Amino acid sequence: EADIYQTPRYLVIGTGKKITLECSQTMGHDKMYWYQQDPGMELHLIHYSYGVNSTEKGDLSSESTVSRIRTEHFPLTLESARPSHTSQYLCASSIPAGELFFGEGSRLTVL
Amino acid sequence: DQQVKQNSPSLSVQEGRISILNCDYTNSMFDYFLWYKKYPAEGPTFLISISSIKDKNEDGRFTVFLNKSAKHLSLHIVPSQPGDSAVYFCAASDYNQGGKLIFGQGTELSVKP
Repeated sequence: EADIYQTPRYLVIGTGKKITLECSQTMGHDKMYWYQQDPGMELHLIHYSYGVNSTEKGDLSSESTVSRIRTEHFPLTLESARPSHTSQYLCASSIPAGELFFGEGSRLTVL
Repeated sequence: DQQVKQNSPSLSVQEGRISILNCDYTNSMFDYFLWYKKYPAEGPTFLISISSIKDKNEDGRFTVFLNKSAKHLSLHIVPSQPGDSAVYFCAASDYNQGGKLIFGQGTELSVKP
């Protein structure tokens, strides 16, 4: 059973607000990922990290930023949210060359 | 350029029958393939995987077939159950690219009692 947690599960905010989506895992995995998914579409990789102090942008350009100060924690921040940021954000972690374990997701709505 | 494609957005199957979900890929460097199941407002859960050195992997009611020459894989669910109704995502990765998964668009499976 994977232990990866995301908060908040649901968030509705106004345009221009700063938000942070939290992601924590207790499995000691070095690799962590953020995917973005809209209904009926594929999951797009927006950020990934292979360990502490390592972060890279994914295949889909995103205005969000991430940090990896501790192995278990990989938060995603939007400095100024816009309606175009409305989406589901999925955090995941993995062992090397293994399957990804996903959190339950954070559904963000920007008004 | 979509590297992993699931061309059927939806599939409806009668309970007890076989469900076959298909996936095509274009990148010949992919060496690991996975299927995930996703309910609305939840994260995907891992179902089954297959390495490129195999052509079949089975786990209970779920079997994944890989045809490397056709760059095609399929997921068979036998027998299908109403609880299998969900969106199924195919994903692929290249070990030399650090194992990042590339996902298809998903197929929504509906199993009717």
